[in-house]
Amino acid sequence: SQQGEEDPQALSIQEGENATMNCSYKTSINNLQWYRQNSGRGLVHLILIRSNEREKHSGRLRVTLDTSKKSSSLLITASRAADTASYFCATAAYSGYSTLTFGKGTMLLVSP
Amino acid sequence: GAVVSQHPSRVICKSGTSVKIECRSLDFQATTMFWYRQFPKKSLMLMATSNEGSKATYEQGVEKDKFLINHASLTLSTLTVTSAHPEDSSFYICSARDPLGQETQYFGPGTRLLVL
Repeated sequence: SQQGEEDPQALSIQEGENATMNCSYKTSINNLQWYRQNSGRGLVHLILIRSNEREKHSGRLRVTLDTSKKSSSLLITASRAADTASYFCATAAYSGYSTLTFGKGTMLLVSP
Repeated sequence: GAVVSQHPSRVICKSGTSVKIECRSLDFQATTMFWYRQFPKKSLMLMATSNEGSKATYEQGVEKDKFLINHASLTLSTLTVTSAHPEDSSFYICSARDPLGQETQYFGPGTRLLVL
């Protein structure tokens, strides 16, 4: 079954604007990860947030996690055309050797 | 960061033939690799977990006789799609656990399979 559900499915913005993507999940998790996928390519890990963390930053990325609502958000600030890609959240049920369950993804288009 | 490669990047084959896809970890040893399948504009669906030196663990609904996985070395896992049919056409992606952290995965660039 689909664990993560991203919202919106597609997002179109102008360069310089911020992009916010949301992810909801159903079961308990140990950590939640965000990945990026350029069209027709593999995925690149962006950031991992653990269940006992509420917010994490990495460069222009800001991730929040609300375990009570079973939701996470990814904020990309000052977006660039090069940020155009699909973004997926993935949840891990437990630490260490857990498999990942991916959401359906948000397709982000950043126009120059 | 760790690099995972896949070969081929794109393959077209006739129905009934078998296709082998290779997944290699280039600069690290991967005792565990994963195989995913992705339909257009859809999410990644985990097919199986490939363990070096032992049998792969398949997800529910994935035919193990259809999708043969071999993980014969610490740097190579192969997925063979046997007797391919048009409905097997898809984007297949492999990944390997981060050798340092184990919780994240490094992904290959994917293989586009088209079965005619």
